[in-house]
Amino acid sequence: DTGVSQNPRHKITKRGQNVTFRCDPISEHNRLYWYRQTLGQGPEFLTYFQNEAQLEKSRLLSDRFSAERPKGSFSTLEIQRTEQGDSAMYLCASSFQGRDGYTFGSGTRLTVV
Amino acid sequence: TQLLEQSPQFLSIQEGENLTVYCNSSSVFSSLQWYRQEPGEGPVLLVTVVTGGEVKKLKRLTFQFGDARKDSSLHITAAQPGDTGLYLCAGDRGSQFYFGTGTSLTVIP
Repeated sequence: DTGVSQNPRHKITKRGQNVTFRCDPISEHNRLYWYRQTLGQGPEFLTYFQNEAQLEKSRLLSDRFSAERPKGSFSTLEIQRTEQGDSAMYLCASSFQGRDGYTFGSGTRLTVV
Repeated sequence: TQLLEQSPQFLSIQEGENLTVYCNSSSVFSSLQWYRQEPGEGPVLLVTVVTGGEVKKLKRLTFQFGDARKDSSLHITAAQPGDTGLYLCAGDRGSQFYFGTGTSLTVIP
């Protein structure tokens, strides 16, 4: 197991376009989290899954954002009609039952121009 | 409103100096974690503290959880350039961890 993998590492898109990010968690981990981080700030919670069920969503997750974890394994985060304010690092993390901390991926850095 | 406030926000010190980073909240957490993050990478877990008053040591790093489980500190002895990074505390409120504002540490050789 190579840890949490996120793709792509970097994404530059024009305002108004849709983007999709993928996260492959550690296989034994049943929980998967998405966070957003802007430069110099701590990560902000977006949503989390336990297996395939999306159990909690932040108010930060507007209608333009949707996340899925169809088989309880990998997850995707889609942003529709991107805005410049969406520019950030999108981090995925996984854990087993939320214990013993999170293992984070390297993130996807989104730049909306 | 940020649930966890960290201070200082930025810290630049010479190699060999000692430093302390603080993480404060008005909320109680069942556990608290410290992470270190390098530019362009995700945070990496350093330690988890669970019991009020708990002290954990990791080589030159000493972590303390406040008695009331609302605050924590990270002390680094004889800082080295390899300690440079963003230090984040994160508190467990049940379903997720809430992250602090971060302390950006630069250790100058």
